[in-house]
Amino acid sequence: DQQVKQNSPSLSVQEGRISILNCDYTNSMFDYFLWYKKYPAEGPTFLISISSIKDKNEDGRFTVFLNKSAKHLSLHIVPSQPGDSAVYFCAARPSGNTPLVFGKGTRLSVIA
Amino acid sequence: DGGITQSPKYLFRKEGQNVTLSCEQNLNHDAMYWYRQDPGQGLRLIYYSQIVNDFQKGDIAEGYSVSREKKESFPLTVTSAQKNPTAFYLCASSISRSLSNTEAFFGQGTRLTVV
Repeated sequence: DQQVKQNSPSLSVQEGRISILNCDYTNSMFDYFLWYKKYPAEGPTFLISISSIKDKNEDGRFTVFLNKSAKHLSLHIVPSQPGDSAVYFCAARPSGNTPLVFGKGTRLSVIA
Repeated sequence: DGGITQSPKYLFRKEGQNVTLSCEQNLNHDAMYWYRQDPGQGLRLIYYSQIVNDFQKGDIAEGYSVSREKKESFPLTVTSAQKNPTAFYLCASSISRSLSNTEAFFGQGTRLTVV
């Protein structure tokens, strides 16, 4: 049973436009959410996170929005750049530093 | 430089042989994790350890074993009982287990191919 779902396996966006990556979760005990970026044959790198007490967190071109009632979060990248082309994983955990639960990832392609 | 080191980057083994993947961290993190990535499957948790000399099974522990004798090291053994061992293996660590809102840091991964 998948607790973290990324329903879009891939997304293509033109350079300079907004990229929106979506993530849904089913476990209401999750209270910390993260996005990771991953290039082929490399480990994921942490991008941005959000606690359940917030509904938005921003870091430069990256913004994460959390809608707890809908159990949905999204990552916005503005403006998108070719170097953003990678697989993006949504992850979540309940409180207590338990292991992260990951979605299956969305492959973003930013076209110049 | 602080970080997580996985070695080797690429590993080939014959079917039926056990193989051990190395993971070392110098971040002074308490918790360490092993994930496996397969195409279209995302990252699935194999084993994790929140403190030295203690570890717990993850979602797909069958055919794997681990040890945590030192804080810095969390080796993963892929045994011959693992039916589909060919995959990309990722080790991660995170800071004190008492702090919940912290990210996990990943190593560069080991690509294991069993022939």
